[in-house]
Order: sequence, then structure tokens, then C-alpha cells
Amino acid sequence: DTAVSQTPKYLVTQMGNDKSIKCEQNLGHDTMYWYKQDSKKFLKIMFSYNNKELIINETVPNRFSPKSPDKAHLNLHINSLELGDSAVYFCASSQAPPGTIYFGEGSWLTVV
Amino acid sequence: AQTVTQSQPEMSVQEAETVTLSCTYDTSESDYYLFWYKQPPSRQMILVIRQEAYKQQNATENRFSVNFQKAAKSFSLKISDSQLGDAAMYFCAYRGSSNSGYALNFGKGTSLLVTP
Repeated sequence: DTAVSQTPKYLVTQMGNDKSIKCEQNLGHDTMYWYKQDSKKFLKIMFSYNNKELIINETVPNRFSPKSPDKAHLNLHINSLELGDSAVYFCASSQAPPGTIYFGEGSWLTVV
Repeated sequence: AQTVTQSQPEMSVQEAETVTLSCTYDTSESDYYLFWYKQPPSRQMILVIRQEAYKQQNATENRFSVNFQKAAKSFSLKISDSQLGDAAMYFCAYRGSSNSGYALNFGKGTSLLVTP
């Protein structure tokens, strides 16, 4: 069974569209994250949720909205997609206080 | 904010040889965690090794070991008996206290090439 799973794995969409990426973890962790990896492979934290509460909200456009319906899920919704949103988005989870962070396989978003 | 610096954008090693990847970090915290992650072309993020700052003993995982120098804020990764499958991007990462939300701060990565 996959520990942290993301869907879809690949997503090609047009500018201006709205899209969502779903993430689920079956590790029983209480903290989940979204990271963005840009074309230069730099990984940057976007959001972090602990027990469904938002604890990190880095400087990202408000077109990005995370939603955590329960501790096992953290979805990412993106409105009005722009070319610069093209990246690989990683979901991750951990147990806090700081346990090891486990990553999903990534969702490759291409905006055309 | 804590910063992580990997000064080697690319490294090359021959099969069966040993290579060391460098990482330095900047922090004012006393309690933190350091990690090395491997990212092959598939883009999967794979944990290689983890070090708790309060532990003086360097972490080891089979062919992978670290040289943790807390005073110097240095955390290098040594790969022994390099294998073709070790070729990947390697990221050093720092994880601090609850004030930072326990998120990982990554370096920019080192691309490791393994030659036969």
C-alpha cells in the first residue's frame, strides 16, 4: 500500500483553468505538507497542516488554496492557472513532534 | 529563516569509489534535525539518512554515512562503494522547531553522476 498518494500524477491544462490535486496518507500522521519543485528543481514549502489546522502558509499567490477535510487528506486547489505554475507538486506527511517526512510521488503540472 | 547551502551543483564518482557531498546550514536553534534525500529521475523523494542535532554520533545507513559538525554547522554525506543506482539529485534538508511548523528547508541540490 502506498503511504502517501497523490492524484493525478500528470496534469496538462490550459491557462486560466482551475484544477485540484488530491493527497491521502495512510500512515496515521497528524501533519501534512505541500511542496513545490520548480524547473530548477528547487523545493519550497507552500503549506503545512497539523490536525487539520493550517500552521504554515508561505508566500504563495492566493490562487492556491489548501483544504484538509481530515487528518489523512490534504488537497490543493489552484484557480486561474498561469504558465509559472508549471512545476512538480509534492504532498508529504509526518508525525509531530518532528518525525521523518515522507513524500508522495509528485504531481507534474504543466500549464500551456 | 534557516538556510541550507549545497555548494556543489554537480559531482561525479566512479563505480565502487567514495564520494562526499557537502552541506552547510545556518540556524540559531539548538534542537533540530538534518536529512539527506535522494531524488532519481523519477522525481520520487527518498530518505537516505537522518541526524538529530542532539546526537553526537554520526548517523550511518549501510553505504551512506554523515559527518555532522554541529559547531561548524556542517552536514556532509559520504557514499561508499558507489553504485550506478546512486546516480540522482541529492538534497540536504533542515528541520527546526515548532515555530517553523516542522517543515523541511532544502538546499538547492547536488546532482551526482556515477560512471562505470
